[in-house]
Amino acid sequence: SAVISQKPSRDICQRGTSLTIQCQVDSQVTMMFWYRQQPGQSLTLIATANQGSEATYESGFVIDKFPISRPNLTFSTLTVSNMSPEDSSIYLCSVSTSGVYNEQFFGPGTRLTVL
Amino acid sequence: DAKTTQPPSMDCAEGRAANLPCNHSTISGNEYVYWYRQIHSQGPQYIIHGLKNNETNEMASLIITEDRKSSTLILPHATLRDTAVYYCIVRRQTGANNLFFGTGTRLTVIP
Repeated sequence: SAVISQKPSRDICQRGTSLTIQCQVDSQVTMMFWYRQQPGQSLTLIATANQGSEATYESGFVIDKFPISRPNLTFSTLTVSNMSPEDSSIYLCSVSTSGVYNEQFFGPGTRLTVL
Repeated sequence: DAKTTQPPSMDCAEGRAANLPCNHSTISGNEYVYWYRQIHSQGPQYIIHGLKNNETNEMASLIITEDRKSSTLILPHATLRDTAVYYCIVRRQTGANNLFFGTGTRLTVIP
């Protein structure tokens, strides 16, 4: 298994500002993902964080709004740029380990409120 | 990845078995059935997965029909701590490793 930590755990931000969320894994992992969970909703995949190259974004998500970095196999950041109240969500980091079962593990999430 | 259909909510008495159904009628031959759950204010937690045989681990059992078009997750003795949203997901074992979540079933275990 993989132990995932996220910083910050929660934040309250003003509209128009940006917030960078960090994700740290206790072991090297093959894949890292970022999800968003809006209030009362299911999880939506934002992008796959690729080590040393640009992230792969899902439909409806763009790099200018959600820039992602992944400098190595254990760390990634997601920035929520030029925030609006509609960005208020829980943002979750997820990792997938290599091996037979390709299990996917999730971090505790970052609860973001935009005023 | 194939879509899944789950009832939006279910109740279960504490100590009884909780049976959570999932329909995945368009599942492909190389797609697995995964179950995750999300307890309030936490990230999703892996429960179990299977291809076509029934599976059991320390958390639950997974029963997959012979035609693989539906499955049931069984929590044999539900406790209050099992109250959560349960997600049934089908995906390929290789290639894209990311999970796509549906709306899930909100299970409430009643004392």
